Amino acid sequence: DAMVIQNPRYQVTQFGKPVTLSCSQTLNHNVMYWYQQKSSQAPKLLFHYYDKDFNNEADTPDNFQSRRPNTSFCFLDIRSPGLGDAAMYLCATSSGGLAGGNPWTQYFGPGTRLLVL
Amino acid sequence: GENVEQHPSTLSVQEGDSAVIKCTYSDSASNYFPWYKQELGKRPQLIIDIRSNVGEKKDQRIAVTLNKTAKHFSLHITETQPEDSAVYFCAASILTGGGNKLTFGTGTQLKVEL
Repeated sequence: DAMVIQNPRYQVTQFGKPVTLSCSQTLNHNVMYWYQQKSSQAPKLLFHYYDKDFNNEADTPDNFQSRRPNTSFCFLDIRSPGLGDAAMYLCATSSGGLAGGNPWTQYFGPGTRLLVL
Repeated sequence: GENVEQHPSTLSVQEGDSAVIKCTYSDSASNYFPWYKQELGKRPQLIIDIRSNVGEKKDQRIAVTLNKTAKHFSLHITETQPEDSAVYFCAASILTGGGNKLTFGTGTQLKVEL
C-alpha cells in the first residue's frame, strides 16, 4: 500500500546532540511537509518542499534544517536539540497537483516522538 | 499570516447525540478547510474537507459547513459513537502552486459517553 513512513518511531537524544528524523513516501507526491506537535497542541508547520524548492516558515528556529535528496525521502535535522524540542514530529505529503492526485489532501505519517534528555 | 480559532476545547456528549465544533479563520484568501481526527499517540487522519466554492459537504454521519462571508466553518457529527472519541482539529490553507500550508486550530477533545 502506498504510504508515508517515518523512522524511527521513537527517538531519544541528549541535550545538544544532533539528531536526524527520516520520512519516506511511496505516493510519488511532489510536496513534503514537516510539522512539530507538542503535547496537547496542534501540529505546527516547520517547513515544506515543493519538489526541490525549500520553503521555511518564518518562525521556524534555525536549529531545524531539512534535506530532500530525492522525491521519496525527506529528512529533518535538529542541530542542537533542547528540552523544548521534545515533541512528535509529523511528516506529511500532498500531490501538488501532479501524479493525477487531489492536490489538496495531506497524508500524514505515523510520526516520530522525540525525547531530549 | 493565517490564524484559526477553534471552539470548544472540550466537548462531552452522550452516545447517539450530535456534536458540533466551530472554527473561524482570519485570512479571506484561504480556500481549503480540512478536518482531522487524531487519536492519542496516532497520526492525524483526514475525515472531511471542504473547498471555498462549496457551502456544505456531507459524508455519512459527518458534515461540514462553510460561511465565507463570516469566515467560519463547522463540523457536525450526528449519531455519535464511542469510537468518535478523539481530538478533532480544523485547519485552513491557501492552495498555491507550491503546495498548501495548513494552519491548524487548537483542537477539540471530543468524548462520547455511553
